[in-house]
Amino acid sequence: EDKVVQSPLSLVVHEGDTVTLNCSYEVTNFRSLLWYKQEKKAPTFLFMLTSSGIEKKSGRLSSILDKKELSSILNITATQTGDSAIYLCAVVRVSTGKLIFGQGTTLQVKP
Amino acid sequence: DVKVTQSSRYLVKRTGEKVFLECVQDMDHENMFWYRQDPGLGLRLIYFSYDVKMKEKGDIPEGYSVSREKKERFSLILESASTNQTSMYLCASSRIRGLGNSPLHFGNGTRLTVT
Repeated sequence: EDKVVQSPLSLVVHEGDTVTLNCSYEVTNFRSLLWYKQEKKAPTFLFMLTSSGIEKKSGRLSSILDKKELSSILNITATQTGDSAIYLCAVVRVSTGKLIFGQGTTLQVKP
Repeated sequence: DVKVTQSSRYLVKRTGEKVFLECVQDMDHENMFWYRQDPGLGLRLIYFSYDVKMKEKGDIPEGYSVSREKKERFSLILESASTNQTSMYLCASSRIRGLGNSPLHFGNGTRLTVT
């Protein structure tokens, strides 16, 4: 059975800390991996990763995919209270195009 | 910017009621999806649609049905609401079949409570 597992499930840090969120997957016919950030409302798209070893970067956030290890990490440097959110990882299967989501990591950044 | 609008932010219904959750997107997307989100379980796909009048079951379709009569609108129907359907429901849309180059765009969610 296909699955996507995120760790940790929750994390509390202080402003200025650097955090690393993990996503591992067991999915047949992998196509791509996506990261989303969800605050109070709709999840918003962060990154789509298709190729192994290529880092995607947006400001203080970056992410990389390791197809050999079947995993991805999302890094956030110099965290701010506005980074507090649920971070969702999802994997797309080639055959169906459907997304399989992990459980999410709840990040709380304290001032 | 893509806008996905869900008709209600909060809903409270009684067990056995028929419930309609409406979703409209304004970007002419082919694909539309309904997920439910529960703590510790992440997002689980209920139904999706690649085109008007087309629908496919997701991972947890039991107790739900959907309707897509127009391209921009995708409705989720709970034929007879039960307490285990209390959840956050998220609608999403995307442009290209297979999501190869098109991430999902989500609505703000409907928090449904069934009492």
